[in-house]
Amino acid sequence: QTVVTQEPSFSVSPGGTVTLTCGLSPGSVSPSYYPSWYQQTPGQAPRTLIYSTNTRSSGVPDRFSGSILGNKAALTITGAQADDESDYYCVLYMGSGTWVFGGGTKLTVL
Amino acid sequence: QVHLVESGGGVVQPGRSLRLSCAASGFTFNSFAMHWVRQAPGKGLEWVAAISYDETNEYYAHSVKGRFTISRDNSRDTLHLQMNSLRAEDTAVYYCARGSLLVPADGPWGQGTLVTVSS
Repeated sequence: QTVVTQEPSFSVSPGGTVTLTCGLSPGSVSPSYYPSWYQQTPGQAPRTLIYSTNTRSSGVPDRFSGSILGNKAALTITGAQADDESDYYCVLYMGSGTWVFGGGTKLTVL
Repeated sequence: QVHLVESGGGVVQPGRSLRLSCAASGFTFNSFAMHWVRQAPGKGLEWVAAISYDETNEYYAHSVKGRFTISRDNSRDTLHLQMNSLRAEDTAVYYCARGSLLVPADGPWGQGTLVTVSS
């Protein structure tokens, strides 16, 4: 069974840069998986940050960027702010009309 | 701006049915695929179902295939999810999202509607 992997937790200092990753076990992530990234704070609906690897959703600041790093999709946050403290989810298109979310990364800003 | 409002959630007994709706506005509804994504209490996001812009294609997660049916009414800019044979493990907040047949969501999500399956 294919599993989408994310770091369970990560921390970053205010003003710092952090890169969260989204992998595939087994396998490698490429743009053909159309990786997308969503941010969610407790009690709120998810917010779309990035889709199709590196396209920012409308209104998302350019300090959020998406890419492929090695064999994983990546979400990089530069100039981290306190309100970036959230859960971050990636999702991959597995083909044949199925999508699989990763388990999410809890990002702490401190 | 894109606005999605889910409705129809509630408490239902195992084995019963429920129909969720998602009212869309602020974009050309009949030009976009739509998705349902759910989140069990304290858990992560799980993709549930998708439908093409013209209703010709429907896709389902293995966990709901054969029990759930996604549909849309392009004349009313509304998305539906008919949920039959509900199980306790279907308990979740259900979100609708505008996307494509490659990504589940490319913009704002709805606020979600809670479905609780319990006797």
